[in-house]
Amino acid sequence: SQKIEQNSEALNIQEGKTATLTCNYTNYSPAYLQWYRQDPGRGPVFLLLIRENEKEKRKERLKVTFDTTLKQSLFHITASQPADSATYLCALLTHTGKLIFGQGTTLQVKP
Amino acid sequence: EPEVTQTPSHQVTQMGQEVILRCVPISNHLYFYWYRQILGQKVEFLVSFYNNEISEKSEIFDDQFSVERPDGSNFTLKIRSTKLEDSAMYFCASSASSTSSNIQYFGAGTRLSVL
Repeated sequence: SQKIEQNSEALNIQEGKTATLTCNYTNYSPAYLQWYRQDPGRGPVFLLLIRENEKEKRKERLKVTFDTTLKQSLFHITASQPADSATYLCALLTHTGKLIFGQGTTLQVKP
Repeated sequence: EPEVTQTPSHQVTQMGQEVILRCVPISNHLYFYWYRQILGQKVEFLVSFYNNEISEKSEIFDDQFSVERPDGSNFTLKIRSTKLEDSAMYFCASSASSTSSNIQYFGAGTRLSVL
C-alpha cells in the first residue's frame, strides 16, 4: 500500500531562519503532492500543490520541490515567523481523488 | 471566502449510541469526503462521495458507518453504534474536482468523544 513519511515529528528554529521539512513516499507514483497546514484543534488548510512534472513551486515565502526519482518532496518556509508555528502535513493525491497524509511535522518558530 | 462548516464542534456520546455528524460543503463543490484523526495520529481517509453515491471507502468505513446527502446542502456521516475507538476528530472536506488539482477544503472538524 502507499506510504508517506515525514521524517521529523518536530522542528524548532529561530525566527528569520529557513525551515525545511521533508516528505518521502513509497509504493506509489503520485501525479500530485500537496502540503497542508494544521493548527491545534483545526482542520488542514491547503497551502501548495506540486505536479509530477514540476520541480519547484513557490508562493510568497513558501517553496516546494518534488523529486520523483528520490520519491521526495521538500517544503521550505523562508524568513520564518512565530506565526508560522503549526503542524505541516504532506499528502499524496491518489488517482481516485483521496488524500493520503503523512503524520505531520510540528514546526516551532522561536522569537 | 467560502468555507466548509461542520456541526457540532464537539459531540459526546455513550458507547453503542448512534451519532450523526453534519457538514455543509462549499456550495459549488461536487466531491465530498470524510476523514478522521485519532489524537496524535495521521489524518485518515474514510469515504468519498460524488453524484449521490460512495466513490471510495477505506477499510475503516465498515457497516456501522454511512453517509448521506439528504438535501442540496448538507452532507452527513452516521455512526450507528459507536465504539470507544471511534473517538477522534472527524473532518469533512469538499472539492470542485476529483482529479487535476483537486484542492480539498476542510472544515474545522467535529470532536467525537465516546464514553
